[in-house]
Amino acid sequence: GAVVSQHPSWVICKSGTSVKIECRSLDFQATTMFWYRQFPKQSLMLMATSNEGSKATYEQGVEKDKFLINHASLTLSTLTVTSAHPEDSSFYICSAKGLGLPFGAEQYFGPGTRLTVT
Amino acid sequence: RKEVEQDPGPFNVPEGATVAFNCTYSNSASQSFFWYRQDCRKEPKLLMSVYSSGNEDGRFTAQLNRASQYISLLIRDSKLSDSATYLCVVNPLGSNYKLTFGKGTLLTVNP
Repeated sequence: GAVVSQHPSWVICKSGTSVKIECRSLDFQATTMFWYRQFPKQSLMLMATSNEGSKATYEQGVEKDKFLINHASLTLSTLTVTSAHPEDSSFYICSAKGLGLPFGAEQYFGPGTRLTVT
Repeated sequence: RKEVEQDPGPFNVPEGATVAFNCTYSNSASQSFFWYRQDCRKEPKLLMSVYSSGNEDGRFTAQLNRASQYISLLIRDSKLSDSATYLCVVNPLGSNYKLTFGKGTLLTVNP
């Protein structure tokens, strides 16, 4: 149980285009989803927290107009990187927490999306 | 001071060795603690939660010292498959379940 999927697993796009990444909870309802970014040899950095049906809460330094997050249902959250630039190239990982999962702060991670902007 | 600080590593050990990872956290109000492992180019996977009384899961033992704000992970009889980056993760009180990750310590177990 507690499986989270992400799509696509990798994507290459040209500078200036937008890329949408999907995060799905497959066997539970995700009341909260988290989006992280990880640069090579660096720690995971939380970008934003999204609760189903409400606006995402962004961490300091993360541009909300550049990284659009939508959590319209209990099983799907999307992250859209708008007008992507090479410095946005990174490993984007979502995680989910929700109904029916163990209490506490445990989160279940998707397999990640590797974005390369050329 | 970083919120979560770990041994910089990397650690290279032979099969069968015992290896210990150390971690300190700065927020004394932190309430939940975890060790995750991350394989190269993969997502983090929960290894174990860390409880105040310390806990063991097979070859893995986790300890928490709230007074010192210190967490440890001990791996006994290490296997080749233990090679990964080990992430110390903390959930501060009142953070709405946000997790703060350490930078990780890379472990390579050699045959």
